[in-house]
Amino acid sequence: EVRLVQSGAEMKKPGEPLRISCQTAGYAFNSFWISWVRQRPGKGLEWMGHIYPGDSDTTLNPSFEGQVTISVDKSLYTAYLHFNSLKASDTAMYFCARRLRSGAGYSWFDPWGQGTLVTVSS
Amino acid sequence: DIQMTQSPSSLSASVGDRVTIVCRASETINIHLNWYQQKPGKAPDLLIYGASRLQSGVSPRFRGSGSGTDFSLTISSLQPEDFAVYFCHQTYRPPYTFGQGTKLEVK
Repeated sequence: EVRLVQSGAEMKKPGEPLRISCQTAGYAFNSFWISWVRQRPGKGLEWMGHIYPGDSDTTLNPSFEGQVTISVDKSLYTAYLHFNSLKASDTAMYFCARRLRSGAGYSWFDPWGQGTLVTVSS
Repeated sequence: DIQMTQSPSSLSASVGDRVTIVCRASETINIHLNWYQQKPGKAPDLLIYGASRLQSGVSPRFRGSGSGTDFSLTISSLQPEDFAVYFCHQTYRPPYTFGQGTKLEVK
């Protein structure tokens, strides 16, 4: 069974750093892009960026450049989302998701992690 | 960025009804369009990929159609477990973008 299991909820103060994780199992970790998606309370989904674990090739949504970085630890089959300095506006649920791709070129996200709730408040 | 516009933003319906949600892309995305269902406090679940392909294990009462810029998700004979939020999603070109969501509520 393919699974993406994320780290637990976090309560942090503005200015603090944070790393949240997405541990995978049940498939060839190195061979599939993993995306991170933000969902602010009561809002829609925003794609933050993705990483290819095989070579750590990374693409960030320009809207998130300078705010977050993405990394992997291949030995742990785990992807990470790093925040350098949290702001109140980073309060959100964060999801990781595996990207699958067809031979015809179209792709989709499945499965998703259960989500990590990050609350930033002084 | 490719903008995805869903309509309606909310929809009231009854068990047994047939409903359609529409998603329009700001430029052509071929069939690089997916649909997800999200329930409160949960991660999105994939329903349809490649515009019309039914994800394994998903009920055939969900049907996706369209190509280019105009897409739709039709749910025939609504069941109680179908009341949720639905998102379309383009993976034609990064940054990948989502529609704003359609909340399907019980009438």
